[in-house]
Amino acid sequence: GEEVAQTPKHLVRGEGQKAKLYCAPIKGHSYVFWYQQVLKNEFKFLISFQNENVFDETGMPKERFSAKCLPNSPCSLEIQATKLEDSAVYFCASSQWVAVFHEQYFGPGTRLTVT
Amino acid sequence: GIQVEQSPPDLILQEGANSTLRCNFSDSVNNLQWFHQNPWGQLINLFYIPSGTKQNGRLSATTVATERYSLLYISSSQTTDSGVYFCAVERLTGGGNKLTFGTGTQLKVEL
Repeated sequence: GEEVAQTPKHLVRGEGQKAKLYCAPIKGHSYVFWYQQVLKNEFKFLISFQNENVFDETGMPKERFSAKCLPNSPCSLEIQATKLEDSAVYFCASSQWVAVFHEQYFGPGTRLTVT
Repeated sequence: GIQVEQSPPDLILQEGANSTLRCNFSDSVNNLQWFHQNPWGQLINLFYIPSGTKQNGRLSATTVATERYSLLYISSSQTTDSGVYFCAVERLTGGGNKLTFGTGTQLKVEL
């Protein structure tokens, strides 16, 4: 599609439950990124993919977080055993390298509330 | 990692006023983007501007990469310009291609 799509818009989980978020990148974009916006103005990079391969996972809390981008499927971000501190808006972004240009485009986000 | 600082942190304008937002970064960058996060939380791309000057309607941006700063100009501000403006950069070396965000400038435009 022409926009990055994310589902669901809102997700509420009790502490300890699993949460799974989905992202469909812009058609033709080969890079996918996940960011976490905690509090109002703080963005944290989590992980990026080049097609289905992990490109950079330096931001991922690996104990409970995992992510995948499989062919012909939306990308996913899964949090096992959610904690209160995981409450945040999770943004997915995609980009494509055209010469040296690789502008990132963001989806509308998924708001996760852990109670 | 790279540090990104934005100023001012908060700004209140009367409709019709002009403003300049600043973004300073601590290392060489490959990519710099300006975003507007509207009151509904949506991140809107304003400019992709690793260097040089661009204009789009009432908005324009300038990045001086050698001096490690970028400026976003808003002219004739409108109430719909309210929200948070973020600068985000991609480090030239050793940063993968992830964006590091500044802490934003919260703008409120009043009638």
